[in-house]
Amino acid sequence: ETGVTQSPTHLIKTRGQQVTLRCSSQSGHNTVSWYQQALGQGPQFIFQYYREEENGRGNFPPRFSGLQFPNYSSELNVNALELDDSALYLCASSPPGRANTEAFFGQGTRLTVV
Amino acid sequence: DQQVKQNSPSLSVQEGRISILNCDYTNSMFDYFLWYKKYPAEGPTFLISISSIKDKNEDGRFTVFLNKSAKHLSLHIVPSQPGDSAVYFCAANSGNTPLVFGKGTRLSVIA
Repeated sequence: ETGVTQSPTHLIKTRGQQVTLRCSSQSGHNTVSWYQQALGQGPQFIFQYYREEENGRGNFPPRFSGLQFPNYSSELNVNALELDDSALYLCASSPPGRANTEAFFGQGTRLTVV
Repeated sequence: DQQVKQNSPSLSVQEGRISILNCDYTNSMFDYFLWYKKYPAEGPTFLISISSIKDKNEDGRFTVFLNKSAKHLSLHIVPSQPGDSAVYFCAANSGNTPLVFGKGTRLSVIA
């Protein structure tokens, strides 16, 4: 059984640029959640996708957007990157009916904005 | 306003002794609590959870205690092993809301 995989693992972008991060959910999981973990902080919820629709959003501006595909994989897009967007971005997938009680995390994408 | 607080950024424990990691929460609506462990360069992995209808849940060396009146939970690891050295996150939610995480506690188990 393949776990949650994220790509790329590391990324360096310049302020003002746009970035797309990718996540393949675990087999059988239909819900994907994205989290941002800044240095010294815990993961903070960005948004969640279920059946290709956004199903909840945290306190993040609209320049953070996402997609979920029919195979349940997902993308996180961030426009107009700011220095404070530098963080570890974590994707978590959940099995049906267990969206927020069983979250299986990928290894994360470390984004550095310079 | 932090709804889930882990006030100890780090903890060092001798191998074989008990590790106690603490977590406080402010939202009285929280009814489900989880602990995750995170090694460097890996994502958090689920460790143990507890529902608000219980006050204790045990899984092998790991036990979570919940004190609802004090809005406090703790994770006990007995006996502690060097492989337990990691960052431990406490998380909570209510109903079907997203998980809210604390800032984490770095546990170092010294051989």
